[in-house]
Amino acid sequence: AQSVTQLDSQVPVFEEAPVELRCNYSSSVSVYLFWYVQYPNQGLQLLLKYLSGSTLVKGINGFEAEFNKSQTSFHLRKPSVHISDTAEYFCAVSDFMNYGGSQGNLIFGKGTKLSVKP
Amino acid sequence: DAGVIQSPRHEVTEMGQEVTLRCKPISGHNSLFWYRQTMMRGLELLIYFNNNVPIDDSGMPEDRFSAKMPNASFSTLKIQPSEPRDSAVYFCASSAGTGGRYGYTFGSGTRLTVV
Repeated sequence: AQSVTQLDSQVPVFEEAPVELRCNYSSSVSVYLFWYVQYPNQGLQLLLKYLSGSTLVKGINGFEAEFNKSQTSFHLRKPSVHISDTAEYFCAVSDFMNYGGSQGNLIFGKGTKLSVKP
Repeated sequence: DAGVIQSPRHEVTEMGQEVTLRCKPISGHNSLFWYRQTMMRGLELLIYFNNNVPIDDSGMPEDRFSAKMPNASFSTLKIQPSEPRDSAVYFCASSAGTGGRYGYTFGSGTRLTVV
């Protein structure tokens, strides 16, 4: 069965500093990987996704993530954060069968609250 | 596209009352998901539909919860009778297909408070 682990429940960081939000997954088959962002009092928005191809994926608002199959990780990074990046970030995984179909629904991690301080 | 539309945005009700939450998915999306989010338990999948048919309702907490999708453009989540522990934010999401390749689009949520 799939699972997603977000190792940090809260990450405080100062404005303009770099940040990395960690995500590890477990799955016995190939996967699709996602990061979602939830701003206060809003729904979840897709930040970026990895389906195939280049392991470095760029998303909105200057975020990027790197898929590492050997370490089963999909960490999210931003070189310089802004106050407006304060939000909760969710990693999600879905497995698929090798013939290319998409079998599984998204499994979400418990979220990481990013707090950017001035 | 207006995205996934949920109503109401906020609902305050008394314990024992019936509550109905509504969702309009994105046109053309054939999968619909209901989630509940609380501080204690995080994001929980309650039920999902594919082509208007309920596929997995194992996340529905108890018989007080029910969900329907009478057509491709409308779904409801009903709680009867409501209890204070049902207080949470309820999200609806839709997807263009089953599984994760297409990602999910979430609505803005309904914040339910049961007093």
